[in-house]
Amino acid sequence: AQSVTQLGSHVSVSEGALVLLRCNYSSSVPPYLFWYVQYPNQGLQLLLKYTSAATLVKGINGFEAEFKKSETSFHLTKPSAHMSDAAEYFCAVSIHQTGANNLFFGTGTRLTVIP
Amino acid sequence: KAGVTQTPRYLIKTRGQQVTLSCSPISGHRSVSWYQQTPGQGLQFLFEYFSETQRNKGNFPGRFSGRQFSNSRSEMNVSTLELGDSALYLCASSPRVAGTSTDTQYFGPGTRLTVL
Repeated sequence: AQSVTQLGSHVSVSEGALVLLRCNYSSSVPPYLFWYVQYPNQGLQLLLKYTSAATLVKGINGFEAEFKKSETSFHLTKPSAHMSDAAEYFCAVSIHQTGANNLFFGTGTRLTVIP
Repeated sequence: KAGVTQTPRYLIKTRGQQVTLSCSPISGHRSVSWYQQTPGQGLQFLFEYFSETQRNKGNFPGRFSGRQFSNSRSEMNVSTLELGDSALYLCASSPRVAGTSTDTQYFGPGTRLTVL
């Protein structure tokens, strides 16, 4: 079975501070991992993805994530938070080897950026 | 390229009615997946359609159904609506090209369904 756990449903950071959003996954086979962002009243926007190539993945808007197999983690970071980063962030896993194409999402982390 | 489009964006129905939501994928994408997002259950997979066939289905009752047309556009239908069906319904498209190692899903803005 596959699942995703996001630690911390709410995270607050000051503008300019480091952003760290945690994601741990469970999968019996090598996973594909994704981070999506959702702004109020909008759909999900892809931030970045890991698909078994480089373990450090760079995404849009200055975000990056590192795949650590030994820790089964895929934490999202950004060196300096901006007010526009305030949103909800979802980590997701897909198990491509089964032929299925569905994503299993974490419960989300709401990021607040304090001016 | 235009992104995934969903219509309508907002919908209000009453219990017992049925509803049809529409999704147009990114041009060239052959797979369409549907997800339900609620505050209590989060994001849950409903089903995936590829080449007009349902390829995968989540754990939802038979009241939830869908179909895909030859142009890859998809519709989902919910019959006999219940209060608990109130949610944001998201559609995602992906290329689903055989032999590729990545199959990223790109989401539309969603349809907000309210059941009264």
